[in-house]
Amino acid sequence: KQEVTQIPAALSVPEGENLVLNCSFTDSAIYNLQWFRQDPGKGLTSLLLIQSSQREQTSGRLNASLDKSSGRSTLYIAASQPGDSATYLCAVPNEGAQKLVFGQGTRLTINP
Amino acid sequence: GAGVSQSPRYKVAKRGQDVALRCDPISGHVSLFWYQQALGQGPEFLTYFQNEAQLDKSGLPSDRFFAERPEGSVSTLKIQRTQQEDSAVYLCASSLDLGYQPQHFGDGTRLSIL
Repeated sequence: KQEVTQIPAALSVPEGENLVLNCSFTDSAIYNLQWFRQDPGKGLTSLLLIQSSQREQTSGRLNASLDKSSGRSTLYIAASQPGDSATYLCAVPNEGAQKLVFGQGTRLTINP
Repeated sequence: GAGVSQSPRYKVAKRGQDVALRCDPISGHVSLFWYQQALGQGPEFLTYFQNEAQLDKSGLPSDRFFAERPEGSVSTLKIQRTQQEDSAVYLCASSLDLGYQPQHFGDGTRLSIL
C-alpha cells in the first residue's frame, strides 16, 4: 500500500529565503508525482506534475525534483514571498491511477 | 470560468440528519473523484466515476455514504444519518480521462455535524 509522507509538518521562514519542502513515498513504482497548493478554505491548486521519466519540473520560482529510486521528491521555492504562505501537498496516483494518495501537507508561513 | 464547482460551500447539520453534496465537474471530463479531508490532514480518496459508472468505492467509510453520477456529469455525495466524525471538507475533482491525467479540484464543501 502506497504511503506518502511530508516533512516538516509546518515551516516558518522570513521573506526572501529559499526553501525546500520534502515528500517521500514507499512504493517507487509511480507514474507521476504532483505538487499542490491549498489556501485556507480553498481547494487544491496544481503547481507541478512530474512524470516518472522526468527528473524535475520548473514553473517560475518553483522547482520540483523526483528521485523514484529513493522514493523522494522535493519542492524548491526561490525568493519566498508572503503570498507563498499556504499548505503544500504532494500526491501520487495509485497503481491503477484511479485515485491520488496524498501526504499530510506542509503548512508554510512566510513572514514579511 | 469552467472549473469544478461544488455546492454548498458550507453545510451544518444535526447528528442523524441526511445531507447531499453536489459536484459539477469541468465540462467534458470523464473521470470524477470524491475525497474527504480532515482538519490538518491530506485528502483521502472516497470514490471515483468514469462517466456514469462508479468504478471504485473502496474509500467510502461506511454504508451511510453513497455517491451517484447518473448522467455522467454532475455527481452527488449523500451521507445518511450523519455522525460527528463525518465533519470534514469534501473535495471533488475531475480529469479529462484516466491515464494519469491531472485532477482539477473544486473548493470543497465544509461539513459540520453538531
